[in-house]
Amino acid sequence: NAGVTQTPKFRILKIGQSMTLQCTQDMNHNYMYWYRQDPGMGLKLIYYSVGAGITDKGEVPNGYNVSRSTTEDFPLRLELAAPSQTSVYFCASSYWGQGPYEQYFGPGTRLTVT
Amino acid sequence: AQKITQTQPGMFVQEKEAVTLDCTYDTSDPSYGLFWYKQPSSGEMIFLIYQGSYDQQNATEGRYSLNFQKARKSANLVISASQLGDSAMYFCAMREGGETSGSRLTFGEGTQLTVNP
Repeated sequence: NAGVTQTPKFRILKIGQSMTLQCTQDMNHNYMYWYRQDPGMGLKLIYYSVGAGITDKGEVPNGYNVSRSTTEDFPLRLELAAPSQTSVYFCASSYWGQGPYEQYFGPGTRLTVT
Repeated sequence: AQKITQTQPGMFVQEKEAVTLDCTYDTSDPSYGLFWYKQPSSGEMIFLIYQGSYDQQNATEGRYSLNFQKARKSANLVISASQLGDSAMYFCAMREGGETSGSRLTFGEGTQLTVNP
């Protein structure tokens, strides 16, 4: 199993550009998440999904959109990039059915908006 | 109010000694879980240990143990016999609610642990 994979690893965007961060998991997890981590800080939840076709906002959803058409994929869309979106983005997945339901994280995407 | 508080921005420990990383939490939900993750300088998030709110005993995983004091709402991580490879950022996180809440995590700000030789 590859676990949770994210692409790209690094990206530099100009202000106002858009991009999609890709996330795929091969563990058949029903829950998926997007977090951002600003330098020296903890992770903050952007969006999450409890299954294909179902998404909901987290703590910091402004400026982002998500979709989940399959169990495996959960892309994050940035529209009109702003310097405040410079961050490391982590995708994660988990399974509900047996404890402790820990989240498995991808390696992260380091995004710089200039 | 902060849901997860880690009051130690940085901690230092000598190799082979034990160290305790503090975490306090705030929730009114009777069903919750507490997690510790390690983030080395390479950036990945590594799950270490979990404690459920209804668990009667403190969780242990190898050199990691969780000192769970429910009445005080604290879930401190204890690392025994520290190793140089333990140098990393450590995050405490909490999951509230059941299946419909999506098993979301709220993270603390982290504690940077440095193990000195």
